[in-house]
Amino acid sequence: DIQMTQSPSSLSASVGDRVTITCRASQSISIYLNWYQQKPGKAPKLLIYAASSLQSGVPSRFSGSGSGTDFTLTITSLQPEDFAAYYCQQNYNTPWTFGQGTKVEIK
Amino acid sequence: QVQLQESGPGLVKPSETLSLTCTVSGASISNYYWSWSRQLPGKGLEWIGYISNSGRSNYNPSLKSRVTISVDTSKNQFSLKVSSVTAADTAVYYCAREHYDSRLGLDYWGQGTLVTVSS
Repeated sequence: DIQMTQSPSSLSASVGDRVTITCRASQSISIYLNWYQQKPGKAPKLLIYAASSLQSGVPSRFSGSGSGTDFTLTITSLQPEDFAAYYCQQNYNTPWTFGQGTKVEIK
Repeated sequence: QVQLQESGPGLVKPSETLSLTCTVSGASISNYYWSWSRQLPGKGLEWIGYISNSGRSNYNPSLKSRVTISVDTSKNQFSLKVSSVTAADTAVYYCAREHYDSRLGLDYWGQGTLVTVSS
């Protein structure tokens, strides 16, 4: 299985901050990398697919980059509704695997 | 608007079979891939497997011998069965839509259903 490692596991930030979350794959996955946001008690929501494509309806303050093994999710100007957990997921090879998650908390 | 809704028992006894159904509205089940994932309490996400629009299934080896995913096109539903469950299978189970082109991600999810394995 391809292992996905996110960092940091958690972070504290303020409204308006720029936030960056990284995800590293245990082998090259080209651009087969997605990012999800999950709020407590809710299902994951697709934010970014194919490493850098913004899912329809997702605010443009979210962006993704990277290819191969190293990927980044960036939130410019963090908003109150962005405090949540974020997961990366590879769908290059089955079984699809997720990172362990990054919890973004209010400072 | 695409919507997915999980249904099934919230409590299953150890050694029995967990059975869940996902009802899809706003999209034809014949045109996409459909998957199940789960989230153990307070933990991360685990992909269980998918069934393709041609009926081909692909399961996570960690569960493969115990899992069956099937589709009922007449009802626009797909189902999950996990046999011989233990307490380690207690989780929130999610159904989701996938695509032939896997780069498009899991773009629609059900709200999730908690299944507890306990006698």
